[in-house]
Amino acid sequence: EVHLAGSGGGVVQPGRSLRLSCEASGFNFGDYAMHWVRQVPGKGLEWVSGITWDSHDTGYADSVKGRFTISRDNAKNSLYLQMNSLRPEDTALYYCVKDTSSSWSGGGHWFDPWGQGARVIVSS
Amino acid sequence: QSVLTQPPSASGTPGQRVTISCSGSSSNIGSNTVNWYQQLPGTAPRLLIYSDNQRPSGVPGRFSGSKSGTSASLAIRGLQSEDEADYYCGTWDDSLIRPVFGGGTKLTVL
Repeated sequence: EVHLAGSGGGVVQPGRSLRLSCEASGFNFGDYAMHWVRQVPGKGLEWVSGITWDSHDTGYADSVKGRFTISRDNAKNSLYLQMNSLRPEDTALYYCVKDTSSSWSGGGHWFDPWGQGARVIVSS
Repeated sequence: QSVLTQPPSASGTPGQRVTISCSGSSSNIGSNTVNWYQQLPGTAPRLLIYSDNQRPSGVPGRFSGSKSGTSASLAIRGLQSEDEADYYCGTWDDSLIRPVFGGGTKLTVL
């Protein structure tokens, strides 16, 4: 069974950093692009970042560009999101999500499955 | 403001047929396939429909998707109480060069 286990969330002050992790199992992790999607409690879904199967290409939402960095370690079946200069508006549940393709960009993809989410609260 | 537009709420009684719309533009729905995700209360989203009208294994046949031009729809027939959830449409946007979602529709089974 395909499973994504997110971790690393917590409460952090504005301006500080946090690193999220996502451990994958049940599929050949190194074959697929991966994404982070976030959701403010009670609100909709916002795509945050994506990475190709080989880490050669990454993409970011404008709201996090220059502050967040996505990375992966295929040997450890793990996806990461380094979040720097955190702001209160970054408070959300962050989902680790598997793409159906090796590339994160372009049409014809879909997100399946979604991890259980890591909660990030940015507050002083 | 979400790139794709969905009604914030929808409702129906058990057994009824309900449709949820998703409106976009030529740079997203008009040129890419649409996916639908179901989010039950307190859980992560799950894939419900992909490539406009395809159902993953395990998704009941009561759920169906369609697309015409720059709009897509999710239809649920024979509504059941366990269908009460938030539903999101999603696709790729060629202009924004990123995935985009609708704002979500909260479905209530009366």
